[in-house]
Amino acid sequence: TQLLEQSPQFLSIQEGENLTVYCNSSSVFSSLQWYRQEPGEGPVLLVTVVTGGEVKKLKRLTFQFGDARKDSSLHITAAQPGDTGLYLCAGLLYGGSQGNLIFGKGTKLSVKP
Amino acid sequence: DTGVSQDPRHKITKRGQNVTFRCDPISEHNRLYWYRQTLGQGPEFLTYFQNEAQLEKSRLLSDRFSAERPKGSFSTLEIQRTEQGDSAMYLCASSFRGVSTDTQYFGPGTRLTVL
Repeated sequence: TQLLEQSPQFLSIQEGENLTVYCNSSSVFSSLQWYRQEPGEGPVLLVTVVTGGEVKKLKRLTFQFGDARKDSSLHITAAQPGDTGLYLCAGLLYGGSQGNLIFGKGTKLSVKP
Repeated sequence: DTGVSQDPRHKITKRGQNVTFRCDPISEHNRLYWYRQTLGQGPEFLTYFQNEAQLEKSRLLSDRFSAERPKGSFSTLEIQRTEQGDSAMYLCASSFRGVSTDTQYFGPGTRLTVL
C-alpha cells in the first residue's frame, strides 16, 4: 500500500497550459516536501509546507497543504518546456519517524513547445 | 559547490562483488540519510544518522548492507555480495536538525548496475 498517492502518474501538455498535480494520503503528515527530479539526478527541493492550509508560491508554481495535513497539491500556471521533469511529493508522518521521508511514485510531466 | 556530493556517480559490478559508496553532506548539516530508488518508483528510505549515531534502519537494509558515519561528517554505504536486485540509484541526503522541521537536501546519486 502506497502511503502517498500521486496523480496523475503521467501528464503531457502544451506550453502555456495550466496543470495541477495531487498528492493524497489517509495519514497525517507533520511536513510535506515537493521535489523535482531530472533523469539520472537526485531530487531537487522545491518547497516545504508544514502548516495545515498553508499556500506557498514559487514564481509560476503554487503549493498547497491540506487543512488536515493529509494531502497537497502543486499547480503550475502557463507551463513551459523547462518545467518538464518528475515531480515527487514526500512527507514525514505525524508522530512517526523523524528521518524516514515517505515518497509518492511521482508525476512525470512533459511540456511540449 | 556546497551541496551534497556522492561518489562514484556510476558503478557497474558483477554479482557477488562488494561495493562501497561515499556521501559528503552539506557541511553544517548534522543528519545524513540514505535512500534507494528503482525505476518508476519514488526513493525508499534505508537509514539515517544524527552526527555519528545511526538512529534508524529500514527493513530494506538487509544484513548485506552496512552504513557508517564514523566522524559525523561523510558516510559510506557498503553492499556485500551484490545481487542483481541491488541494481538501483542510491541517494544520499542531509539536513540540519534544529527546533523546527528539517528539510532533506539530496545529492546526485550513485547509479549501481549489478551484472
